[in-house]
Amino acid sequence: NAGVTQTPKFQVLKTGQSMTLQCAQDMNHNSMYWYRQDPGMGLRLIYYSASEGTTDKGEVPNGYNVSRLNKREFSLRLESAAPSQTSVYFCASSEEGRNSYYGYTFGSGTRLTVV
Amino acid sequence: GQSLEQPSEVTAVEGAIVQINCTYQTSGFYGLSWYQQHDGGAPTFLSYNALDGLEETGRFSSFLSRSDSYGYLLLQELQMKDSASYFCASDSSYKLIFGSGTRLLVRP
Repeated sequence: NAGVTQTPKFQVLKTGQSMTLQCAQDMNHNSMYWYRQDPGMGLRLIYYSASEGTTDKGEVPNGYNVSRLNKREFSLRLESAAPSQTSVYFCASSEEGRNSYYGYTFGSGTRLTVV
Repeated sequence: GQSLEQPSEVTAVEGAIVQINCTYQTSGFYGLSWYQQHDGGAPTFLSYNALDGLEETGRFSSFLSRSDSYGYLLLQELQMKDSASYFCASDSSYKLIFGSGTRLLVRP
């Protein structure tokens, strides 16, 4: 039972390069999320997908795009990376749009450095 | 806007009880969640309060007062492995908004 799988685990980009962070869940969850976490801080929501076929902006969407490819997969794309996007990126999923009593399941994170 | 406030650091002794408070200002509030995160790890779900009152899960309990926009996480019989960061999160409008976290250090 893999839960939420993120790839890659580590990445170094040069300013201006693009990349896509991949996320897949095998729990048949409807909702998926992308968060970023900067050192010593909480998680900030980038984008979320309440259900397959829908995506919405979170707190910090600028510089990112997302694709809900199917029910299992939700990718995050950086079109032109900037040093300010250096962070740890977490993907998460939940059973339904609302948190309910089961919580979010998080992936292990992607540590991204933009130089 | 939406915001959650919690203390940045708490220190306690092994075997003791510690309470981590959280106050929130969010629109479309449904409930308050708590997550634990060890250094270098992913957040893991601890508890969720949709209604006022206390929810107990083993050594951990969580409390919510909607009228006061306030909640807390209570950790009993502290163990060294409880040293971690703890985040409250507001369940608002189909997404979770997190506080900045409380770093708990458990001393022997």
